[in-house]
Amino acid sequence: DTGVSQNPRHKITKRGQNVTFRCDPISEHNRLYWYRQTLGQGPEFLTYFQNEAQLEKSRLLSDRFSAERPKGSFSTLEIQRTEQGDSAMYLCASSFQGPSTDTQYFGPGTRLTVL
Amino acid sequence: AQRVTQPEKLLSVFKGAPVELKCNYSYSGSPELFWYVQYSRQRLQLLLRHISRESIKGFTADLNKGETSFHLKKPFAQEEDSAMYYCALLMNRDDKIIFGKGTRLHILP
Repeated sequence: DTGVSQNPRHKITKRGQNVTFRCDPISEHNRLYWYRQTLGQGPEFLTYFQNEAQLEKSRLLSDRFSAERPKGSFSTLEIQRTEQGDSAMYLCASSFQGPSTDTQYFGPGTRLTVL
Repeated sequence: AQRVTQPEKLLSVFKGAPVELKCNYSYSGSPELFWYVQYSRQRLQLLLRHISRESIKGFTADLNKGETSFHLKKPFAQEEDSAMYYCALLMNRDDKIIFGKGTRLHILP
């Protein structure tokens, strides 16, 4: 197991286009988290899954954003009608249990640039 | 409102000197705090959590509820400590983590 993987690593798109990112967590990790990180900021929580159930969504996640984890394994994050303000690093993390008892392992991130 | 504040964007310290990275938090519940680190070209990773009360790579952090602080300390800085450090707060009710903006630690030779 090579850890959490994310694809693509970089994505450049034009404003108004849709983009989809994928996250493959560490095997058997029940929890999967999505964060967004902009320049000069720490990661900001977007949403998380316990198996296939999406348990929490941040107010940052407008209705242009949708995340899925259909079989409780990999997850996708889709942004529709991208805007320049969506340009950021999108991070995925996974853990076996919640952060109080277990460590979140982060992926390398997907850097999105919206032109 | 829940908040994590790291007042320093950049901290430069000479090798061998003590290091203290400041972190203050605001949270009405019972806080759980973490320090995460990101070395150059590496992933964000957990450095330590306050409930473990352990020392990792010579770093320690004590939760001070009176001062609402969780400063990260190391008595003697090493060049390999140069990295971005993020303080983070677990909001137990929601089981999600809030990160500070981070402090870049630069160890001078």
